[in-house]
Amino acid sequence: KAGVTQTPRYLIKTRGQQVTLSCSPISGHRSVSWYQQTPGQGLQFLFEYFSETQRNKGNFPGRFSGRQFSNSRSEMNVSTLELGDSALYLCASSLKITGSSVTEAFFGQGTRLTVV
Amino acid sequence: GDSVTQMEGPVTLSEEAFLTINCTYTATGYPSLFWYVQYPGEGLQLLLKATKADDKGSNKGFEATYRKETTSFHLEKGSVQVSDSAVYFCALSAAGRRALTFGSGTRLQVQP
Repeated sequence: KAGVTQTPRYLIKTRGQQVTLSCSPISGHRSVSWYQQTPGQGLQFLFEYFSETQRNKGNFPGRFSGRQFSNSRSEMNVSTLELGDSALYLCASSLKITGSSVTEAFFGQGTRLTVV
Repeated sequence: GDSVTQMEGPVTLSEEAFLTINCTYTATGYPSLFWYVQYPGEGLQLLLKATKADDKGSNKGFEATYRKETTSFHLEKGSVQVSDSAVYFCALSAAGRRALTFGSGTRLQVQP
């Protein structure tokens, strides 16, 4: 069974530009979450999508947005990039079982974004 | 809000030494607790989990027990190997939420 696939693996962008990252979850998984990992702030939750709807959101500015498609694939967009947005962006997928909040999250290898 | 505190690293051990990485948490209700491991250049892999008080999660020789009274979930392994060198993250998900709150991570270096 294929794992979580994130594309691209590496990206270099200029300040002020925008970027779109992609995540394909494990087949059958309908919940996709995004995390930002930086040396200074560690791992921080961005948002979660399920059934094409954002279910939870972390404490990030509105420049960070996402969406989920009917096939559960998800994209994350960052507009007006800042140097501080340089990070490893991780996507995680999980089965969402009704009535349960405890399911394993499977992470992709991440997209390393560098803003110059 | 919810938070997870891990011991600072790096932790440097010789092969076959005993490992403990401390983790304590603050959360309302009864969170689920996890240990994730990140190898260089990779994403996170779930190492073990526990969903209620006194549960013991175990995998690949690693163990951690959910201690509600001390709000702790310390990771232990009896005999580490060089291949265990990685960064270990303690995390929780609060009841009713899927989002994970992570600790700062502890880098483990195992020397032959």
